[in-house]
Amino acid sequence: EIVLTQSPGTLSLSPGVRATLSCRASQSVDTSYLAWYQLKPGQAPRLLIYGTFSRASGIPDRFSGSGSGTDFSLRISRLEPEDVAVYYCHQYRTSPYTFGQGTKLEI
Amino acid sequence: QVQLQESGPRLVKSSETLSLTCAVSGYSISNGYYWAWVRHTPGKGLEWIGSVYHSGDTYYNPSLKSRVTISADTSKNQFSLKLKSVTAADTAVYYCATLTSFYSFFDYWGQGALVTVSS
Repeated sequence: EIVLTQSPGTLSLSPGVRATLSCRASQSVDTSYLAWYQLKPGQAPRLLIYGTFSRASGIPDRFSGSGSGTDFSLRISRLEPEDVAVYYCHQYRTSPYTFGQGTKLEI
Repeated sequence: QVQLQESGPRLVKSSETLSLTCAVSGYSISNGYYWAWVRHTPGKGLEWIGSVYHSGDTYYNPSLKSRVTISADTSKNQFSLKLKSVTAADTAVYYCATLTSFYSFFDYWGQGALVTVSS
């Protein structure tokens, strides 16, 4: 099983700045198989990024993904109050599919 | 656009079986895709439970495999989850979701169903 470790656990930032969320895998993950989701209370998870770099439909370009091998990142520029959520990375190259433990973003 | 809606009892007694159904609209499950269950707990985050293909082929997370059954009913365009011998650790928000292929991200999700296991 591929273990994904996210850091930091909680990120507290001010509106307008950029957030960088990290996801480290216990073994190499092909960039085609790494995604990021946003989860807000009472809502369904929202796909943000897939294939490490590709934004899902309707996702603003403030959200961007990068990385390779075992280290991946999600960047959110120009933070807005609506970005408050927990963000999860997800690998879907190897079964069982796994998720990181999440990074809580506070603004 | 695919829409998913979970239904089922929200309170289950310890040692009994949790049962949820996901109604699918906007797409016929017999046309393909994989149909999955994922749960979320504050302590463990998101956890993939398992998936079913329209053919009935199933794939489970080894950590839950001994207790899980996922099935698809193409005539009703829905799929179901059964988790037996539940404990308090199974208290979670259960989401149904879809994947376009076996090695794919989850692109459509239901709103989620909070299921509480009581003693």
